[in-house]
Amino acid sequence: DSGVTQTPKHLITATGQRVTLRCSPRSGDLSVYWYQQSLDQGLQFLIQYYNGEERAKGNILERFSAQQFPDLHSELNLSSLELGDSALYFCASSLTPSRQGGYGYTFGSGTRLTVV
Amino acid sequence: AQRVTQPEKLLSVFKGAPVELKCNYSYSGSPELFWYVQYSRQRLQLLLRHISRESIKGFTADLNKGETSFHLKKPFAQEEDSAMYYCALLTQGGSEKLVFGKGTKLTVNP
Repeated sequence: DSGVTQTPKHLITATGQRVTLRCSPRSGDLSVYWYQQSLDQGLQFLIQYYNGEERAKGNILERFSAQQFPDLHSELNLSSLELGDSALYFCASSLTPSRQGGYGYTFGSGTRLTVV
Repeated sequence: AQRVTQPEKLLSVFKGAPVELKCNYSYSGSPELFWYVQYSRQRLQLLLRHISRESIKGFTADLNKGETSFHLKKPFAQEEDSAMYYCALLTQGGSEKLVFGKGTKLTVNP
């Protein structure tokens, strides 16, 4: 167990629907990152939050949004789902957004989203 | 712009053979580089970070700033090393994030 918890593990939904993925960071970590992993695009950075505030945005579609709550857990909302949104969505956390002796991030086990 | 390139999508070696997974980066600042491993589409696990110059599971990686490379090496591959390996660059500044290469799938054959 890495300490980063993601729920649900699997999600199957229809096109056009909306889903919410949840992430609880490792205890003490303030920063949360969301990544999308698909077979053709590899690991794509979506968005980063630090202590409740958005810090960085990557290749995140307008149909997607995220937030980090006061208890530091984060949710990634995906709406108007398309077949191409099927992927593994990973959450990662770190202590701060700045470098910490190069410790990198701790990843969760991911949520596998299948859009049918 | 920051970029991480892993030129090999697939790499297959026999057990006991040396293995080298290539990683090149493009970054204007001072790079911090990592190797992550992913077994069977599970979570990514940190394997190595260049700053610590450590050896994990027999793997080593040396940062070569002249060649902008951070290749991962192991002298004698084991079957349990079969996995996806991702090289990652940690950018600095306000929009700090880990930028990943597309990964190399390593298969170690018996």
